[in-house]
Amino acid sequence: DVKVTQSSRYLVKRTGEKVFLECVQDMDHENMFWYRQDPGLGLRLIYFSYDVKMKEKGDIPEGYSVSREKKERFSLILESASTNQTSMYLCASSLEGRVYGYTFGSGTRLTVV
Amino acid sequence: AQTVTQSQPEMSVQEAETVTLSCTYDTSENNYYLFWYKQPPSRQMILVIRQEAYKQQNATENRFSVNFQKAAKSFSLKISDSQLGDTAMYFCAFLYNNNDMRFGAGTRLTVKP
Repeated sequence: DVKVTQSSRYLVKRTGEKVFLECVQDMDHENMFWYRQDPGLGLRLIYFSYDVKMKEKGDIPEGYSVSREKKERFSLILESASTNQTSMYLCASSLEGRVYGYTFGSGTRLTVV
Repeated sequence: AQTVTQSQPEMSVQEAETVTLSCTYDTSENNYYLFWYKQPPSRQMILVIRQEAYKQQNATENRFSVNFQKAAKSFSLKISDSQLGDTAMYFCAFLYNNNDMRFGAGTRLTVKP
């Protein structure tokens, strides 16, 4: 069964901490994405990557960075966590042509206190 | 820019009955793809159904079917014989070419016994 795995389901961090969210896929997908999900706003794209070491900003990249050193792994980094980054974070992957949809991970609920 | 609107934040349906979730989108493109995703309380988003805009025939997957009205830019999801396991958030999504997938704000569906 193909999978996108996010390392943590729940995470509590303090304001100002550097936070790493990890995502691994085993489908040999070219594209990987990080979304933020908030009630009433749907999913908003933070960053995506179409190849190793490549990244593109999405709609809301401020306060975030990403790293893709290997094809299967895509990390989201909160350089200095703030309370307004408390949210659900979803990782997804897709084939190069995205037309068959995305495969999502189970999400990480991050709370910044 | 493409936008996706789900006008029903919450809906409920009795078990075994039929329910329709609404989705409209705005685009000037002719060839694109539409999706419905389901996010159950376990949180992992899964693809329910997919429609290619150049196909006139409405997509069907078991109890799930769509009513795709291209001229009206409408893409509703019909769930027949609703089951308790259908309780979830449902997201409509739009994809054009190889651009970012755009998601609606979601509809929370509750199936009542």
